[in-house]
Amino acid sequence: GNSVTQMEGPVTLSEEAFLTINCTYTATGYPSLFWYVQYPGEGLQLLLKATKADDKGSNKGFEATYRKETTSFHLEKGSVQVSDSAVYFCALSYPTGANNLFFGTGTRLTVIP
Amino acid sequence: EAGVVQSPRYKIIEKKQPVAFWCNPISGHNTLYWYLQNLGQGPELLIRYENEEAVDDSQLPKDRFSAERLKGVDSTLKIQPAELGDSAVYLCASSPGDRVSYEQYFGPGTRLTVT
Repeated sequence: GNSVTQMEGPVTLSEEAFLTINCTYTATGYPSLFWYVQYPGEGLQLLLKATKADDKGSNKGFEATYRKETTSFHLEKGSVQVSDSAVYFCALSYPTGANNLFFGTGTRLTVIP
Repeated sequence: EAGVVQSPRYKIIEKKQPVAFWCNPISGHNTLYWYLQNLGQGPELLIRYENEEAVDDSQLPKDRFSAERLKGVDSTLKIQPAELGDSAVYLCASSPGDRVSYEQYFGPGTRLTVT
């Protein structure tokens, strides 16, 4: 079946530190991969996505590369800010048919000044 | 542009009582999703609508959960009777279509507490 395994949190970093949140997946075929972010009191928002192997998604300084050989989609940012404090969810969807999302458990990031 | 609107934001009920959640998707979005998010977990799909048709309800516990999307716009998710284990956040999302290329836009959710 389809599943996503995410690095457990919480993660606490100082401002300007480097961020990595690990995500690996299990899926039949070649899914599309996503990172969603949930800021306090707000709904989930799409942060970035990649639809095929070796694609790199990027947004707001965050990046993630679709690695088929390691079935991974790790989220990285070179220098985090206090405003990046949120819960981050890795997700996948089927490559064909309906766009049903399968989410990981989420990783809470806190950035301290 | 207004986002996905959900109400109520919070609901506390006693077990065995009925409860309903309402969702107003982004204007023009044909696809509507209801997700369940338990504490410390990621969202899980309950049901997906294409216009007014429920095209995927395989994960909806039909003995106590029901949903409708009249006229292909607003949607209501109902639980009757509620159980303690139903305490969770219920998320609504919408997208212009059902293909992967379409982003899903999420509402803020309704937090249900069953006592």
